[in-house]
Amino acid sequence: EAQVTQNPRYLITVTGKKLTVTCSQNMNHEYMSWYRQDPGLGLRQIYYSMNVEVTDKGDVPEGYKVSRKEKRNFPLILESPSPNQTSLYFCASSGGEGGVYGYTFGSGTRLTVV
Amino acid sequence: QKEVEQNSGPLSVPEGAIASLNCTYSDRVSQSFFWYRQYSGKSPELIMSIYSNGDKEDGRFTAQLNKASQYVSLLIRDSQPSDSATYLCAVGNFNKFYFGSGTKLNVKP
Repeated sequence: EAQVTQNPRYLITVTGKKLTVTCSQNMNHEYMSWYRQDPGLGLRQIYYSMNVEVTDKGDVPEGYKVSRKEKRNFPLILESPSPNQTSLYFCASSGGEGGVYGYTFGSGTRLTVV
Repeated sequence: QKEVEQNSGPLSVPEGAIASLNCTYSDRVSQSFFWYRQYSGKSPELIMSIYSNGDKEDGRFTAQLNKASQYVSLLIRDSQPSDSATYLCAVGNFNKFYFGSGTKLNVKP
């Protein structure tokens, strides 16, 4: 089954404790992206990747890091999480260059930072 | 920040009626337009894409785009209770897509 897999689904952590949210897709997509979803603010892009070793900032990149060492994987790293990073996170991939054909989203990761 | 505006709703329609969802956007150079459906507690699911002015139909769904007026709409014909969800409008170009906050649709049996 074609899918984007995120882990974990739920995560509660403490301020300052480094964490990684994993994302993997099995569709051989070149384009991948991370979004956060907050009530009333919609989905906001954190980072995106055009291909292996090619990443760039979205609209809300502060406090986040990403890497793209393999085509299928695009982990999101929070090196020192803060409570304002409590949110619902989605990884997405797209078969179209630059995401122009629309996204397939992962199931989401609900992160709580206390 | 590019803006994509949607009425948050809820929009309530009876089963079998036409549901009309609207979205306006601020960036005139936007080239790609999408509608996603998001059930409560689930991830967004792509249901329609449109790239040129006019209408695009897919089953019970019709997307309409008017670039001059900077709006995109989604019509759902013969609405079903299973269509009850939040509908997200997404607008953008290569690498950069902006989402509205979504319109919640309730279809009453």
